[in-house]
Amino acid sequence: DTAVSQTPKYLVTQMGNDKSIKCEQNLGHDTMYWYKQDSKKFLKIMFSYNNKELIINETVPNRFSPKSPDKAHLNLHINSLELGDSAVYFCASSRASGGADTQYFGPGTRLTVL
Amino acid sequence: AQTVTQSQPEMSVQEAETVTLSCTYDTSENNYYLFWYKQPPSRQMILVIRQEAYKQQNATENRFSVNFQKAAKSFSLKISDSQLGDTAMYFCAFMKLALTSYGKLTFGQGTILTVHP
Repeated sequence: DTAVSQTPKYLVTQMGNDKSIKCEQNLGHDTMYWYKQDSKKFLKIMFSYNNKELIINETVPNRFSPKSPDKAHLNLHINSLELGDSAVYFCASSRASGGADTQYFGPGTRLTVL
Repeated sequence: AQTVTQSQPEMSVQEAETVTLSCTYDTSENNYYLFWYKQPPSRQMILVIRQEAYKQQNATENRFSVNFQKAAKSFSLKISDSQLGDTAMYFCAFMKLALTSYGKLTFGQGTILTVHP
């Protein structure tokens, strides 16, 4: 069983479109995250949710809107896609926030904006 | 704010040999955790090893061990008996130990490690 899954794994779209990436974890964790890995492989946190509540928003443009319908899911919706949004987006989860519980990462979604 | 620096963009090692990857960090915090994550070509991020700053003893996980020098703010990863499957990008990461950290990981730039047969 995949612990943290993301769909789709690859996403190619045109500038200006709106797209969503879905994330699900079956680990029973309370906290979920979105990270962005740019073309230089640099990883940076975007958002963190704890029990469906937003707890980290790292100055991400408001075109990005995370949504957590329940503890096991954290989806990322991106409006008006721009070329600079091309990246690999990773979802992760951990048992709790604030401690050093191991974060388990999904396989990533490679987003290409043309 | 915390910063994590990995000064070696690329490293290579022969199979069965030992290699050390460097990481330095800058923080004013006293309580924190440090991690090494591995990202193989499959793209999956995998935790290799972690170190609590309050522990003086260096963490080890099988062939992987760290050299944690708190005063020098240095956290290197040693891989012994390197295997072809160790070929990956390795990321050093920092997390403040506080409820207000909310699990935020700060990553270094990564080091590409290639293990040659």
